Amino acid sequence: GAVVSQHPSRVICKSGTSVKIECRSLDFQATTMFWYRQFPKQSLMLMATSNEGSKATYEQGVEKDKFLINHASLTLSTLTVTSAHPEDSSFYICSAVGTGKRYGYTFGSGTRLTVV
Amino acid sequence: GDSVTQMEGPVTLSEEAFLTINCTYTATGYPSLFWYVQYPGEGLQLLLKATKADDKGSNKGFEATYRKETTSFHLEKGSVQVSDSAVYFCALSGRGGSEKLVFGKGTKLTVNP
Repeated sequence: GAVVSQHPSRVICKSGTSVKIECRSLDFQATTMFWYRQFPKQSLMLMATSNEGSKATYEQGVEKDKFLINHASLTLSTLTVTSAHPEDSSFYICSAVGTGKRYGYTFGSGTRLTVV
Repeated sequence: GDSVTQMEGPVTLSEEAFLTINCTYTATGYPSLFWYVQYPGEGLQLLLKATKADDKGSNKGFEATYRKETTSFHLEKGSVQVSDSAVYFCALSGRGGSEKLVFGKGTKLTVNP
């Protein structure tokens, strides 16, 4: 089956620093990747949609200069949280969709970001 | 816009009890419908899906039927186990295949032995 690997699973960083989260599709080519943020005991909030080789489409209210998304290849998308602050602490999850109908939406295992 | 409404949790059941988690949706056209499960500290796993009216998705004893007339996709299981304790999300997507998923708020299920 389709597998999406997300790293790191946990990261603690100091306020003001930047953190990069990687999302890789291991056995399929992901034409589209989605990045979600999940607050405690809440649903997933879509942050942005990225397509390989093009700029990401951000949802309303998401700061594109703060949450940089790069989808440089068909198997890798990255989310960089720039100048992180404690309010950015959250659980971030990526999802990838492959070409054709064989692969649906496959989710990574998530990244717990804590900004101190 | 498209939306998903899920029954509020948490839901607490004893082992072997019957489970129903209600889900209704609002969407233009004919969306695909999904149930995802999230175990503590993990990402989401697809539990089951249905892509057209009257389809029944099933997996691991769970099932849900796509009801166009009532715009519903209720999740059911006849006999829950402790290992089913998790958060369950109902979701929909457009027909394009790579359109974004719209999620319900999630329902936390706890099954006690």
